[in-house]
Amino acid sequence: GENVEQHPSTLSVQEGDSAVIKCTYSDSASNYFPWYKQELGKRPQLIIDIRSNVGEKKDQRIAVTLNKTAKHFSLHITETQPEDSAVYFCAATNRDDKIIFGKGTRLHILP
Amino acid sequence: GAGVSQTPSNKVTEKGKYVELRCDPISGHTALYWYRQSLGQGPEFLIYFQGTGAADDSGLPNDRFFAVRPEGSVSTLKIQRTERGDSAVYLCASSLIRWETQYFGPGTRLLVL
Repeated sequence: GENVEQHPSTLSVQEGDSAVIKCTYSDSASNYFPWYKQELGKRPQLIIDIRSNVGEKKDQRIAVTLNKTAKHFSLHITETQPEDSAVYFCAATNRDDKIIFGKGTRLHILP
Repeated sequence: GAGVSQTPSNKVTEKGKYVELRCDPISGHTALYWYRQSLGQGPEFLIYFQGTGAADDSGLPNDRFFAVRPEGSVSTLKIQRTERGDSAVYLCASSLIRWETQYFGPGTRLLVL
């Protein structure tokens, strides 16, 4: 079945710098890749998603890139702010349209 | 309602007891999903409903777990003979149609003593 690997597990960046989180997936039939942000004790919230017919998508300070050939996709956060501190999960649909989540990246924005 | 709601927010029970967790999806969303999230992990798929029927229950860990959605709206996840290993946050999500953007509820934190 689908396997989603996410790196790094923890990431610390200086406020104002950029953060990049990378994920790989195994099922070449995957076609939907959402990213969720989860603050401590809160629910996961969708921040951006991308479909397999698009290579890149941007929404203000957040962008996602997808490389279907290499089966990897990345989240880019620019001009990081303290409120960006959270756990970020990537996810991918598998062959049965089931969304499989990565293990998460804990992002710390340092003052 | 404005979003997905879940009750209770916290549930403490003893090993061997039966628990029910409730999910109220966004009005009009036909698809409903249950996930389980353990500490430090991503949400793990349990079961998916399309309308009233369980379209995919392949994530349920064993036959102690069961879920229903009798009227195609509210869903209840039922766990029989709870075990300490069942302790986790149980998340519900809904989407307008199958596998489109999923909106999560706040979760029910289950602790089995």
